[in-house]
Amino acid sequence: GENVEQHPSTLSVQEGDSAVIKCTYSDSASNYFPWYKQELGKGPQLIIDIRSNVGEKKDQRIAVTLNKTAKHFSLHITETQPEDSAVYFCATMEYGNKLVFGAGTILRVKS
Amino acid sequence: GAGVSQSPSNKVTEKGKDVELRCDPISGHTALYWYRQSLGQGLEFLIYFQGNSAPDKSGLPSDRFSAERTGGSVSTLTIQRTQQEDSAVYLCASSPAGVVAGAETQYFGPGTRLLVL
Repeated sequence: GENVEQHPSTLSVQEGDSAVIKCTYSDSASNYFPWYKQELGKGPQLIIDIRSNVGEKKDQRIAVTLNKTAKHFSLHITETQPEDSAVYFCATMEYGNKLVFGAGTILRVKS
Repeated sequence: GAGVSQSPSNKVTEKGKDVELRCDPISGHTALYWYRQSLGQGLEFLIYFQGNSAPDKSGLPSDRFSAERTGGSVSTLTIQRTQQEDSAVYLCASSPAGVVAGAETQYFGPGTRLLVL
């Protein structure tokens, strides 16, 4: 089955700096790649997703890039703010619509 | 509109007892998913419902785990004879159409935090 690796496991940045989280996957048939943000005591919330027919997608301060040849995708957050502090999960979707998640990245934005 | 809701938000039980966890999906969503989030295993898929049917139960860890969905809406996840390793956050998600629509966004509820003593 699909295997998703996520790096780094923790990331500390200064407010205003950029943060980048990277994921690799194993199944070349995967075609949907969502990113979720999870705050303490809450469920994961979708922040951005990308499908395999595009290489990059941007939504204000958040962008995701996808390299299908290399089987990796990345989350980029620019101008980080304290409220960006959370756990971020990448995921791919296996046949049958089941999500396979990375292990998560704890992002700390220091003000 | 209302999102996915789950109850109870927290559950403490004794080893060997049965527990029932409830999920109310977004109104009109055909597909419903259960996931488990634990320190050792991360976020893992348990079961998927398309309407009231469960075409994929491959993630249920043992026969102590079962789930049902009635009326194409509410779902309950039941764990019988709970063990300490069942302690985790149980998350429910829903999506508008499921497999028939291809890949689509899954919307998660807040989860039920289960602690087995």
